[in-house]
Amino acid sequence: DTAVSQTPKYLVTQMGNDKSIKCEQNLGHDTMYWYKQDSKKFLKIMFSYNNKELIINETVPNRFSPKSPDKAHLNLHINSLELGDSAVYFCASSQDVNEQYFGPGTRLTVT
Amino acid sequence: EDQVTQSPEALRLQEGESSSLNCSYTVSGLRGLFWYRQDPGKGPEFLFTLYSAGEEKEKERLKATLTKKESFLHITAPKPEDSATYLCAVQAGSGYALNFGKGTSLLVTP
Repeated sequence: DTAVSQTPKYLVTQMGNDKSIKCEQNLGHDTMYWYKQDSKKFLKIMFSYNNKELIINETVPNRFSPKSPDKAHLNLHINSLELGDSAVYFCASSQDVNEQYFGPGTRLTVT
Repeated sequence: EDQVTQSPEALRLQEGESSSLNCSYTVSGLRGLFWYRQDPGKGPEFLFTLYSAGEEKEKERLKATLTKKESFLHITAPKPEDSATYLCAVQAGSGYALNFGKGTSLLVTP
């Protein structure tokens, strides 16, 4: 069983489009995260939800909007995609502030 | 501002040649220091959490240690399957976020 899963794995789209990435965890964790890994492989936190409540909202464009329908799911919607949004997006989960478990990533390419 | 610096950026070892990776950090109120392994095209895989200076943890050929300013990941007699990028991250204060370093890319050749 996959602990943290993301869909899609690859996403190729044109500038200006709107797209969503979905994440699900079956670990029973109460906290979920979105990280962005740029072309230099640097991982940076974007958002975090604890029990469906937004607790981390780093300085990212407001074109990015997370949504947590329940504790097991955290989706990321991106409006008006730009070339600079191309990256790998990772979802992660943890129980409280303990170690985080990452999904396989979604490689977003904006053309 | 929290800072995490990993060195070297890249390391090439012969199979069986032991070495250490370094992670130096400056953070207010360290809650935990985490080591992850990342293979190409995959998500980071959790290895260890260290909470206080002097703490050590081991897993197979890997051993992580922590001081007040840095952490080391010692790799004993590495094998080619240990080739990966090793990421260090810190968690500070009451925060949940992991602040990652840029990683060390390890290549172990037969």
